[in-house]
Amino acid sequence: AQTVTQSQPEMSVQEAETVTLSCTYDTSESDYYLFWYKQPPSRQMILVIRQEAYKQQNATENRFSVNFQKAAKSFSLKISDSQLGDAAMYFCASSGGYALNFGKGTSLLVTP
Amino acid sequence: EAGVAQSPRYKIIEKRQSVAFWCNPISGHATLYWYQQILGQGPKLLIQFQNNGVVDDSQLPKDRFSAERLKGVDSTLKIQPAKLEDSAVYLCASSIGTGGETQYFGPGTRLLVL
Repeated sequence: AQTVTQSQPEMSVQEAETVTLSCTYDTSESDYYLFWYKQPPSRQMILVIRQEAYKQQNATENRFSVNFQKAAKSFSLKISDSQLGDAAMYFCASSGGYALNFGKGTSLLVTP
Repeated sequence: EAGVAQSPRYKIIEKRQSVAFWCNPISGHATLYWYQQILGQGPKLLIQFQNNGVVDDSQLPKDRFSAERLKGVDSTLKIQPAKLEDSAVYLCASSIGTGGETQYFGPGTRLLVL
């Protein structure tokens, strides 16, 4: 079984600043994948970033990067140069190769 | 390319009534998922199809929920009879295969059971 924990129900960041969202997970799988998804108020879930657990290098996508600590089972998301459009619910998820197991989400507020 | 399509977007029914949701995945995607997202929570898998076969339906309340993907393309999810606790957003997602492939989500169907 896989569990995902997001300990920050809400976070706030000023425009142009950097924010880090936390995620820890537990899995018995040897091969697994980790994801961050963004869900704006319109509710369409969008992939932000994906990490294969066998890769030591942290994934990056433009202003989004992760800090993947495999031994600590930690997978945090860093958003640099925050923009108003980054405001959304952010879900951390894990997969052993099948369905996604989601955390409860972190609501990110971006202030001007 | 067209994304995952779902209909209807909103549905209001009374308890004990039945309801059906439809999903059309991205063309060529073999794997289709139905998730239930209750307000304030992350999505929870209800059922996963690989082509027209069921891979995982362990969390589907089979006494009231059913789903099919007859031709390995679009899918329907049905609830009969609905309960108040079924009020949620029902999300459909698809991926090319399994093995950690990225899942693409539809806009969801928001169900309110009165």
